[in-house]
Amino acid sequence: GAVVSQHPSWVICKSGTSVKIECRSLDFQATTMFWYRQFPKQSLMLMATSNEGSKATYEQGVEKDKFLINHASLTLSTLTVTSAHPEDSSFYICSARDPSRGQMNEQFFGPGTRLTVL
Amino acid sequence: AQKITQTQPGMFVQEKEAVTLDCTYDTSDPSYGLFWYKQPSSGEMIFLIYQGSYDQQNATEGRYSLNFQKARKSANLVISASQLGDSAMYFCAMRETQTGANNLFFGTGTRLTVIP
Repeated sequence: GAVVSQHPSWVICKSGTSVKIECRSLDFQATTMFWYRQFPKQSLMLMATSNEGSKATYEQGVEKDKFLINHASLTLSTLTVTSAHPEDSSFYICSARDPSRGQMNEQFFGPGTRLTVL
Repeated sequence: AQKITQTQPGMFVQEKEAVTLDCTYDTSDPSYGLFWYKQPSSGEMIFLIYQGSYDQQNATEGRYSLNFQKARKSANLVISASQLGDSAMYFCAMRETQTGANNLFFGTGTRLTVIP
């Protein structure tokens, strides 16, 4: 099956620093990747849609200058949390779309990255 | 309005029994897909089952089946013969096809606990 990896799986950083999270599709080319955020005991909220070679589309209320997304290749999208603050602490999950799979199970999730900002 | 509603924050089921997790949805798109995911404590999202809006039959995948009632806009997940390893969060999600966005809208989830 299609595999999506995320790195790092967890990260602790100081307030004010920037953190980069990588999302990779390991065995397929992902034209579209999605970044979700999940607070403890809550649902996944879409932050942005990342399309290879173009600018990401951000959901309402998500600061694009704070959450920088780069989808430079068909297998890699990165999310950079700039000047992180404690309120940015969350579980970040990416998913990648494999268009060759059709409608059914075309979106595959990474294992997530737990960010803790001190 | 919420696109996906899961009204059961938590459910308990005895091992080997069946359990139904509720999900209702709201969309004006005639073409959509409904998904169920399992999220154990490790955090990964595990795909369980899919139902397309035009599918005539209810989807089944092993012990998982989807009770799709289109007129009621419900897509309940039925887990048969529950196992201890089924204890996890379960999320219902929807993708609207005609918008072309392809992103998923998630419900708030149901925490299932299987009792030995």
